[in-house]
Amino acid sequence: KNQVEQSPQSLIILEGKNCTLQCNYTVSPFSNLRWYKQDTGRGPVSLTIMTFSENTKSNGRYTATLDADTKQSSLHITASQLSDSASYICVVSASGGYQKVTFGTGTKLQVIP
Amino acid sequence: DSGVTQTPKHLITATGQRVTLRCSPRSGDLSVYWYQQSLDQGLQFLIQYYNGEERAKGNILERFSAQQFPDLHSELNLSSLELGDSALYFCASSVGTSGANVLTFGAGSRLTVL
Repeated sequence: KNQVEQSPQSLIILEGKNCTLQCNYTVSPFSNLRWYKQDTGRGPVSLTIMTFSENTKSNGRYTATLDADTKQSSLHITASQLSDSASYICVVSASGGYQKVTFGTGTKLQVIP
Repeated sequence: DSGVTQTPKHLITATGQRVTLRCSPRSGDLSVYWYQQSLDQGLQFLIQYYNGEERAKGNILERFSAQQFPDLHSELNLSSLELGDSALYFCASSVGTSGANVLTFGAGSRLTVL
């Protein structure tokens, strides 16, 4: 069964600090992995998308890494800001139709002053 | 503004009632997806339509139905509502049907069943 597990479930950090969120998956055959940011009560917004051959992708202060051998991904946030407070969702797609997409339950990040 | 429009933003209704949620996809996108997100829960995939036809089905209850119209807008119909149906309902759209497509989400419709 395809699964995506994210850790930690929640995280509180001080403004200006860095943090790393983890995503482990068992989706097969792997097609791509995406990180979304979801502000409370809003729709998710895509941050990065990585395919099998990519192991790092950046979007401003967000850097995602992918290790397809160990089936792990991380999202690193640098110099956090209060606006980074949100849920971060890891989404992994297997090859094939849309029913092959598996969502993680997300990491809830709170950045405090 | 993501380009995906959902109405209404908020809806309060009673158990046993029926509601319709509406979604207009981003211009040029042919696929529409519906998701349910209960309080502090992850997104649950309900159903996908592509150019008017159902393409994939997730954990959608029999009391729920959806369709996509020729102008590509979609409606999600929820009937015989129960308290547990209270949730945020998101619509997303993409160009194609594959799982590789990046989804663009709307702002959601918050349904409260009393």
